[in-house]
Amino acid sequence: GQNIDQPTEMTATEGAIVQINCTYQTSGFNGLFWYQQHAGEAPTFLSYNVLDGLEEKGRFSSFLSRSKGYSYLLLKELQMKDSASYLCAVRDLGGSYIPTFGRGTSLIVHP
Amino acid sequence: DVKVTQSSRYLVKRTGEKVFLECVQDMDHENMFWYRQDPGLGLRLIYFSYDVKMKEKGDIPEGYSVSREKKERFSLILESASTNQTSMYLCASSREQGAGTDTQYFGPGTRLTVL
Repeated sequence: GQNIDQPTEMTATEGAIVQINCTYQTSGFNGLFWYQQHAGEAPTFLSYNVLDGLEEKGRFSSFLSRSKGYSYLLLKELQMKDSASYLCAVRDLGGSYIPTFGRGTSLIVHP
Repeated sequence: DVKVTQSSRYLVKRTGEKVFLECVQDMDHENMFWYRQDPGLGLRLIYFSYDVKMKEKGDIPEGYSVSREKKERFSLILESASTNQTSMYLCASSREQGAGTDTQYFGPGTRLTVL
């Protein structure tokens, strides 16, 4: 299985940049996902990384380093609507193909 | 767009009752999942299914069972509800096994309270 660690809560200011980290330990890495979940709503897919490097998608970018067991989600030009939980999920090669979720990071954006 | 629907947004049941949570997806996905989400514990997998009439235990199957009679529908059953099953239940589906991004699409959730 995986051991996935992310900060419980972060705060940031509107217009700023925030980086949410995720570290993991797995026997055979096979992809990392980031999801966004607003309070009372379903998680929605943000990004997927399987190779090292940065994947950019508008204001959101996701980075992966497989050798370090490390990923981050970078949010630029923060908006109030970015206040949400951000879930890191890791899939490994062994057993089932289903990603294991971290406990999520609650991001609070204030004016 | 993929749509995953769940039968109820809020449900209140009594201890010992049998509870059915229904989930339907409309994109012909092979895989379906049931999770529960609790504060501080994140999303935990209860059961999943990769084909009709097939089911596999997740990380926390105790006290639950599932049924998948049709491809689009996956039901979670609490045989005898207990207060520690009070939680948010999320259903999800995905296209095929372990393929590339194989994004999971989630339903809106059912908040179950067991009194």
